[in-house]
Amino acid sequence: KQEVTQIPAALSVPEGENLVLNCSFTDSAIYNLQWFRQDPGKGLTSLLLIQSSQREQTSGRLNASLDKSSGRSTLYIAASQPGDSATYLCAVSDYGQNFVFGPGTRLSVLP
Amino acid sequence: ETGVTQTPRHLVMGMTNKKSLKCEQHLGHNAMYWYKQSAKKPLELMFVYSLEERVENNSVPSRFSPECPNSSHLFLHLHTLQPEDSALYLCASSQGRRGSYEQYFGPGTRLTVT
Repeated sequence: KQEVTQIPAALSVPEGENLVLNCSFTDSAIYNLQWFRQDPGKGLTSLLLIQSSQREQTSGRLNASLDKSSGRSTLYIAASQPGDSATYLCAVSDYGQNFVFGPGTRLSVLP
Repeated sequence: ETGVTQTPRHLVMGMTNKKSLKCEQHLGHNAMYWYKQSAKKPLELMFVYSLEERVENNSVPSRFSPECPNSSHLFLHLHTLQPEDSALYLCASSQGRRGSYEQYFGPGTRLTVT
């Protein structure tokens, strides 16, 4: 059974810092990995989708990498801003076509 | 605006009530999903519909009953719920059911069972 973990559970950084969020999964047989952002009490906003054949994806200040063999993905946020404060979730889709989510990392960017 | 809407946004119901959650997607997608998000637990996939056919039911209690009348609408009918069913219920859609497609989420319905 696929399990997804995220480290750290919470992170607080001053504005302008570069930071890395980590996602690990136990079964490397995945279709893709998706990073989401969730604001308090709201739904999820898709940030980046990495197909299993890809190594990384970039969107603006965000860069996500995928290492299937080691069961890891990282989300790099450059020049963090207070508006980046949210919970970041990663999810993997397996060959059963189900999506398994991690518990999330709660990020606070202080002005 | 993600193209996936959910109503109501908040719902308080007693354990003997019957209510329904509604989800509508305006993206032309063929697959729709219900997820449950409880405090301090990862999102749990409840149901998957592909082309209006239920293709996944992850051991969800029968007090939750999904309905997908067409590819744009998804309902979750609730009856005789328990307090532990209080959670944020999220609807999502994707172009197809294959895992290679990106999922788009609605804003969720915050359900409180008293």
